[in-house]
Amino acid sequence: GESVGLHLPTLSVQEGDNSIINCAYSNSASDYFIWYKQESGKGPQFIIDIRSNMDKRQGQRVTVLLNKTVKHLSLQIAATQPGDSAVYFCADLSGNTPLVFGKGTRLSVIA
Amino acid sequence: EPEVTQTPSHQVTQMGQEVILRCVPISNHLYFYWYRQILGQKVEFLVSFYNNEISEKSEIFDDQFSVERPDGSNFTLKIRSTKLEDSAMYFCASSVQGSQPQHFGDGTRLSIL
Repeated sequence: GESVGLHLPTLSVQEGDNSIINCAYSNSASDYFIWYKQESGKGPQFIIDIRSNMDKRQGQRVTVLLNKTVKHLSLQIAATQPGDSAVYFCADLSGNTPLVFGKGTRLSVIA
Repeated sequence: EPEVTQTPSHQVTQMGQEVILRCVPISNHLYFYWYRQILGQKVEFLVSFYNNEISEKSEIFDDQFSVERPDGSNFTLKIRSTKLEDSAMYFCASSVQGSQPQHFGDGTRLSIL
C-alpha cells in the first residue's frame, strides 16, 4: 500500500556536524511533503515543506531535497545543535488528503 | 505566534467511560483535525472537519468517536465508551486551508485503566 517511511529509526551526530534524515515514499502521484519535528512531550512542529515543482528548498539551517525519480526526500540540518534532538517525521499532504506520517527518525545530538 | 492549545494535557479514565478531549485551534484556521499516536508508533489520522461537518475520517474513527465544534473557538473529540486500546496521545491540528501545513497542539495523553 501507499506509505511514507524512513530509512533509519535513529541517527546520532556530533554537535556542529550536519545531519541528513532520509524519507522514501511510494505514491508517484504525491506532490507535497512536509517535515515535522517532534520534541519529547510536544506535538509535531512544522519545519519546512516542498512541492513537486521544486527539487530543493532552504530554510534557516535546514534544506529539503526532493528526488521524484526515486521517490525520496531528505532533510539536511546544518551545524546540528542539542536543541535539534527530536523525532523527525516526513509527511505527505498531497491532494488535500489527510497527512500521512512516516515512522520518524530519532535524532540524538552528542555534545 | 498563534498556537493550537489542547486540554487536558493528561486524562486518566476508567474503561467504558466517556471522555471529551478539547482543542482551541488557531483563530483564522478553517480546517480542523484529530490524530492519535500510540506509544512508539506513527501519528495516525482520525478525522478532519470543515464547515461544521466531517470531511474525511479513517477506519479508526468508528461509531465510538465523534467531533463537535460547539462554538466559534473549541473543537472537541468525544470517545463514548473508552477501551484499553484507546490509550494514546491525541493531537489536534488546524490549517488555513486543506492544502496548507497543519499546526499541531501539544496533545492530550489519554490513559485508559
